Amino acid sequence: DTAVSQTPKYLVTQMGNDKSIKCEQNLGHDTMYWYKQDSKKFLKIMFSYNNKELIINETVPNRFSPKSPDKAHLNLHINSLELGDSAVYFCASSHMEETQYFGPGTRLLVL
Amino acid sequence: GQSLEQPSEVTAVEGAIVQINCTYQTSGFYGLSWYQQHDGGAPTFLSYNALDGLEETGRFSSFLSRSDSYGYLLLQELQMKDSASYFCAVRDSQAGTALIFGKGTTLSVSS
Repeated sequence: DTAVSQTPKYLVTQMGNDKSIKCEQNLGHDTMYWYKQDSKKFLKIMFSYNNKELIINETVPNRFSPKSPDKAHLNLHINSLELGDSAVYFCASSHMEETQYFGPGTRLLVL
Repeated sequence: GQSLEQPSEVTAVEGAIVQINCTYQTSGFYGLSWYQQHDGGAPTFLSYNALDGLEETGRFSSFLSRSDSYGYLLLQELQMKDSASYFCAVRDSQAGTALIFGKGTTLSVSS
């Protein structure tokens, strides 16, 4: 069984569109994350979320918003997509400060 | 702020030993992690050092010196499948348990 899954794996869309990426973990972890990896492979935290607290990296535009319907899911909504949003987005989860488990990534291309 | 420095590229031949260094600047240090990422894949956890010294896991070892804000990943008996990017990471004191990653070291193993 996949520990952390993301859908879709690939997402190609036009500038200005709104899109969502879904993430689910079946590890029973209490904390989930969204990371962005750019074309130079630089991995950067966007959001950190557990059932008590959402921590947002201050550099993330407010067009990006995480939504967590329950402890096992953390979806990423992106409004008014821009060319610079093209990247690979990774969801991850962990139990407190322990090892983080990453999903397979969503490759977003904005045209 | 927090930052990590690691070499951008390392090349080696099969059977060799490679050391990937990482120096960090951080407030509130909790430990140094290493992740491996193959092209097109997700980051996967390799090791974690919270205390000074060497941790060994099979062909891979990781070292930490807290006084020097320095660590390294040692890969022995290199195999072609070890060709990947390797990231050191520290916990982001501004973002709960999220990780701040170095820019990654691309290891190329040739026969």
